[in-house]
Amino acid sequence: QKEVEQDPGPLSVPEGAIVSLNCTYSNSAFQYFMWYRQYSRKGPELLMYTYSSGNKEDGRFTAQVDKSSKYISLFIRDSQPSDSATYLCATNLLSGGYNKLIFGAGTRLAVHP
Amino acid sequence: DTAVSQTPKYLVTQMGNDKSIKCEQNLGHDTMYWYKQDSKKFLKIMFSYNNKELIINETVPNRFSPKSPDKAHLNLHINSLELGDSAVYFCASSPRDLNTGELFFGEGSRLTVL
Repeated sequence: QKEVEQDPGPLSVPEGAIVSLNCTYSNSAFQYFMWYRQYSRKGPELLMYTYSSGNKEDGRFTAQVDKSSKYISLFIRDSQPSDSATYLCATNLLSGGYNKLIFGAGTRLAVHP
Repeated sequence: DTAVSQTPKYLVTQMGNDKSIKCEQNLGHDTMYWYKQDSKKFLKIMFSYNNKELIINETVPNRFSPKSPDKAHLNLHINSLELGDSAVYFCASSPRDLNTGELFFGEGSRLTVL
């Protein structure tokens, strides 16, 4: 079992739709959770970062963490064609005194006009 | 001004050859990484260096040898390339403690082994 599971999609939605992207994780020691966005032929870039259970909002994006069920979500409101990308969830693991990020497989999202 | 730059962007080579990828960051970060992304977009850490010292070494074949001449540079040399090495290799950097979870990635080096 992978440490972070994510449905790879692809997910195709019309412009304006609400998108829900989800990940589950296996290790309750994971403390920080991130969402990265990766456009085609580019490197991933950090979209949102959360620590505690609950919601964190940034514009049209909301990250949600439920540590009791080991579930993390990203919601995109009023989705735009420019949101078309691969979204990767990630968490950190302390290893030998250093943090390393562990990524999910990524979900490909296509928002069509 | 590119923050994390890696070269070359594309490599196409034959099985058994040796190749190198170079990475440089101008962010002043202490820590640099190599990640491998396979065809299914799964991104997996390979190595990490903190101020030229190897701190993370995942289960990677010893055909892969990283080298960090200084904290702004991290190179990856691959010997005896195999078909399964075909992937996109990303260099990344971060501040030492990574407590905001932010890695800064380069644009990737797409390796195709024929």
